[in-house]
Amino acid sequence: GAVVSQHPSRVICKSGTSVKIECRSLDFQATTMFWYRQFPKQSLMLMATSNEGSKATYEQGVEKDKFLINHASLTLSTLTVTSAHPEDSSFYICSARVATGGNEQYFGPGTRLTVT
Amino acid sequence: AQSVAQPEDQVNVAEGNPLTVKCTYSVSGNPYLFWYVQYPNRGLQFLLKYITGDNLVKGSYGFEAEFNKSQTSFHLKKPSALVSDSALYFCAVRRIYNQGGKLIFGQGTELSVKP
Repeated sequence: GAVVSQHPSRVICKSGTSVKIECRSLDFQATTMFWYRQFPKQSLMLMATSNEGSKATYEQGVEKDKFLINHASLTLSTLTVTSAHPEDSSFYICSARVATGGNEQYFGPGTRLTVT
Repeated sequence: AQSVAQPEDQVNVAEGNPLTVKCTYSVSGNPYLFWYVQYPNRGLQFLLKYITGDNLVKGSYGFEAEFNKSQTSFHLKKPSALVSDSALYFCAVRRIYNQGGKLIFGQGTELSVKP
């Protein structure tokens, strides 16, 4: 089946630094990738939709200058949390939608970000 | 606007008993409906989906769900629960003609299966 990986799985950083999270589709090409944020025992909140070769589309209320998304290839999207603060601590999950137009999304295992 | 509601924050079931996790949706037009499961500190795993056709959809790990258009529901069911089914379950909806593929998730239901 389709596999999506995320790296790192867990990261701790100091306030004011930037952190990059990678999302890769391992065995398929993904024209569209999605980035979600999840607080403990809560639902996933869509942050942005990332299309290969174009600018990401951010959801209302998500700061595009703080959460930089790059989708440079059909198998890789990155989320960079710039000037991280403790309130950015969360579980970040990416998903990928197959380029052939499949209807389901395949989710990565998530990245736990802790900002101290 | 699209929305998904999972009315129960938590469902408790004894092992071996049938389980139901409820989901209702609101979407203009015909929906694609999905169920995902999430284990602690993990991403979401796809369980099943309804696109069209038979209203009863069978998925992974013995789960099934029934699409009911008149009640706008898509409840997840399993005839005999296992302790290992304990996890967080999410229902999601997407409009058929939403080419962007954006999923709207319910708030999640925590399933606890006791031995």
